[in-house]
Order: sequence, then C-alpha cells, then structure tokens
Amino acid sequence: AQTVTQSQPEMSVQEAETVTLSCTYDTSESNYYLFWYKQPPSRQMILVIRQEAYKQQNATENRFSVNFQKAAKSFSLKISDSQLGDTAMYFCAFMKYRLNQGAQKLVFGQGTRLTINP
Amino acid sequence: ETGVTQSPTHLIKTRGQQVTLRCSSQSGHNTVSWYQQALGQGPQFIFQYYREEENGRGNFPPRFSGLQFPNYSSELNVNALELDDSALYLCASSSKSAGSTEAFFGQGTRLTVV
Repeated sequence: AQTVTQSQPEMSVQEAETVTLSCTYDTSESNYYLFWYKQPPSRQMILVIRQEAYKQQNATENRFSVNFQKAAKSFSLKISDSQLGDTAMYFCAFMKYRLNQGAQKLVFGQGTRLTINP
Repeated sequence: ETGVTQSPTHLIKTRGQQVTLRCSSQSGHNTVSWYQQALGQGPQFIFQYYREEENGRGNFPPRFSGLQFPNYSSELNVNALELDDSALYLCASSSKSAGSTEAFFGQGTRLTVV
C-alpha cells in the first residue's frame, strides 16, 4: 500500500516570499505520478502541478515548482513570489501508473494549511 | 470551472438514516471516483466507477455503495448513517483513456450526521 506524509500541518509566510511545502511517500511501484492539489475555502480541489516519476526533470508551472527526489521518495512544492490567493490547504497525492488504464485512485497526504499574510 | 457538479452542497441527517449524494461528471469523462474528507484530514478513496461498474474500492464498509449511470453521472449511497460519517464528500471525474491522469473535483457535499 502507498502512504503519503506531509509533516507540516501549518505554514505562514509574508506576501512575495518563497515557501516550500514538504511531502514524502512510500511505495514499491517503480512508475507513478505525484501531484500537488490546492483546496481553498471554496472546498474544490484544484490541481497545481503534476510529476511523472519516470521523468528526472522537475515539473514547473509558473510560480510553482517541485523538487522530486525519487530515491529519497520526497516531493516538495516551492511557491515563489507568494500571493494572497495562494492561501489554502495544500495536499500532496500519489497515483499508480497503469498502462493504458488512465486515471487511478489518488492517495492523499494529511495536508498543509498555508497562509499568506499581507 | 471544471464542470463537475455535486448536489446537495450541504445536508444534515440523523444517525441511522440513509443518504444519497449526486455527482455529474465533466463532459467526455467516463470515470467517477468518490472520496471522504474528514475535518482537517486529506481525502480518503471510497470507490471508483467506470462504465457503470465498480472499478476499485477503498477501506469502507458495504453500507457505502454507489451507482454510475449511462451518462456517467454517479450517486453515492450511505446506509445506517453513523456520527463518524460526518465529512465532506468529494466526487472526481476523470478519463480511462491512455495517458490521462488528471482528476477534476467538484465542490463537495458537506454531510453532518447528528
């Protein structure tokens, strides 16, 4: 079974600062996907960024980037130039890869509550 | 806006009652997954439906059941409600096509059992 651990229940930074959220996972799978989801007070889960385990290059999406360390089973999210709208719960999630079978179930961590202060 | 809609947004039920939650998947998606998110926790996978059949189940008792309809919308039914069933229930639609991994979530149904 896969497990995902987020060791930072809460974080708080000033607007425009850079913040890094940590995530570790445990799996025996060799190929898989990792995600960061954002859940604002509206409750809707929004995909922030995705990483394929077979890719060595770290994924980036505008101000969001990841540090993927496969051997260490670590997958951190860096938010640069943080904005007030980044305030939300952030969840790290794991998905197995299955050839030609599309999206599988997501295994989520416990979440990190991020607050961006003006 | 992802196109995944859930109803109702909130409801309150009494212990022992039964509840049905509904989800309309995004256009073009043939798979619906349901998750339970307790307060302050990450979502937990309940089950997934693909082409009207259950296609994977998490560690939830049989009183949690579901349906998927020909238009790929879905229902989650919970019988004999318990206080611990109070949670946010999230529906996510996705595709089983090769290379597709993204799940699009609805805004959830907040269930309170009293």
